[in-house]
Amino acid sequence: DQQVKQNSPSLSVQEGRISILNCDYTNSMFDYFLWYKKYPAEGPTFLISISSIKDKNEDGRFTVFLNKSAKHLSLHIVPSQPGDSAVYFCAAGSSNTGKLIFGQGTTLQVKP
Amino acid sequence: GAGVSQSPSNKVTEKGKDVELRCDPISGHTALYWYRQSLGQGLEFLIYFQGNSAPDKSGLPSDRFSAERTGGSVSTLTIQRTQQEDSAVYLCASSLPHITSGGNYTNSMSSYNEQFFGPGTRLTVL
Repeated sequence: DQQVKQNSPSLSVQEGRISILNCDYTNSMFDYFLWYKKYPAEGPTFLISISSIKDKNEDGRFTVFLNKSAKHLSLHIVPSQPGDSAVYFCAAGSSNTGKLIFGQGTTLQVKP
Repeated sequence: GAGVSQSPSNKVTEKGKDVELRCDPISGHTALYWYRQSLGQGLEFLIYFQGNSAPDKSGLPSDRFSAERTGGSVSTLTIQRTQQEDSAVYLCASSLPHITSGGNYTNSMSSYNEQFFGPGTRLTVL
């Protein structure tokens, strides 16, 4: 049972345009969500997070939107840069436990 | 400061052999997690240690997998009688203490249980 799903395995955008990465979840107990970025041969690094009490969190070029009724979150990167090319994982957690459930990842390619 | 470190970075073993993978978490992080990423797959949760509490082993795929955390710091993931399907990148992460509904731990809530990952150990079972 895949509780966190990233249905797009890959995304390609032009430098300067917006990248939108999507994530869906099924467990209504999740109350916080995170996005991680992963380069090859490195561990994932934290990017941005959002609590279920919010619907938007912004940090520089990165904005995460949460739609609780749809159990959907998205990461917007604008403007996209070639250095943003990486695999992006969304993750969800419940404040009752410490573990995170990760999606399958979306590979973003930003073309110069 | 030092991040999460893992060793070895690469491990090639023969089917049926046992392997041990090591994780050194960030100092002061009482929560430690093991994940694995198989080729083309996402991060699969394996096991979670939080302080002196019993570990959450719900993600271990079989009884060939076990993990220990000695002294609340270093952790070792052991895979016995390795199989080819065990080939993956094994990732360790650590975080600050996590608050529970019982309020047993304090937590930097602004971090939302941000987990810091090590570089991983690539395991290849021939």
